[in-house]
Amino acid sequence: DAGVTQSPTHLIKTRGQQVTLRCSPKSGHDTVSWYQQALGQGPQFIFQYYEEEERQRGNFPDRFSGHQFPNYSSELNVNALLLGDSALYLCASSLTDLNTEAFFGQGTRLTVV
Amino acid sequence: QKEVEQNSGPLSVPEGAIASLNCTYSDRGSQSFFWYRQYSGKSPELIMFIYSNGDKEDGRFTAQLNKASQYVSLLIRDSQPSDSATYLCAVNRRVYKLSFGAGTTVTVRA
Repeated sequence: DAGVTQSPTHLIKTRGQQVTLRCSPKSGHDTVSWYQQALGQGPQFIFQYYEEEERQRGNFPDRFSGHQFPNYSSELNVNALLLGDSALYLCASSLTDLNTEAFFGQGTRLTVV
Repeated sequence: QKEVEQNSGPLSVPEGAIASLNCTYSDRGSQSFFWYRQYSGKSPELIMFIYSNGDKEDGRFTAQLNKASQYVSLLIRDSQPSDSATYLCAVNRRVYKLSFGAGTTVTVRA
């Protein structure tokens, strides 16, 4: 049973560029959430997707957008990258309508230079 | 006030001892409580979850929840060097976002 997979694992981008990160949820999971984790901090919620709709959003600017596909996989897009966007981006999948735990992928380390 | 606060670390314990980690949360509507372990440079790994007041044991780990006090804790018994990691407390309302604390770094001394 494949767990949550993310790609790429590492990425270096230049300030002002755009980036797309990808996530495939754990088999059977239908909900995908994205988190940003800066060094030395806990993960911060970006948004959550269910049934191809953004269901909840954290305190992140509109430069952060996402998408969920019919197969439940998801993308996170960040436009106009800032140096402060450098972080570990984590995707978590879960099964909605149940009070179940979320499982994280290995993360994408984004460095903006 | 932060949504989730954890006791400041780092926490250093000798091998074989008990490590005690504490977490408080501000949202009284929180329903689910999680402890994740995160090794340096890796993603969080779920080690325990608890929904009801009281204790929940899983191997060397025990989670304790007191909703009236808005407090959740994690005890690691017989600590091993492999337990050296950052422990993240997370809470949520049903299926929505997880709110994380900043984490407590634990070092187990051999």
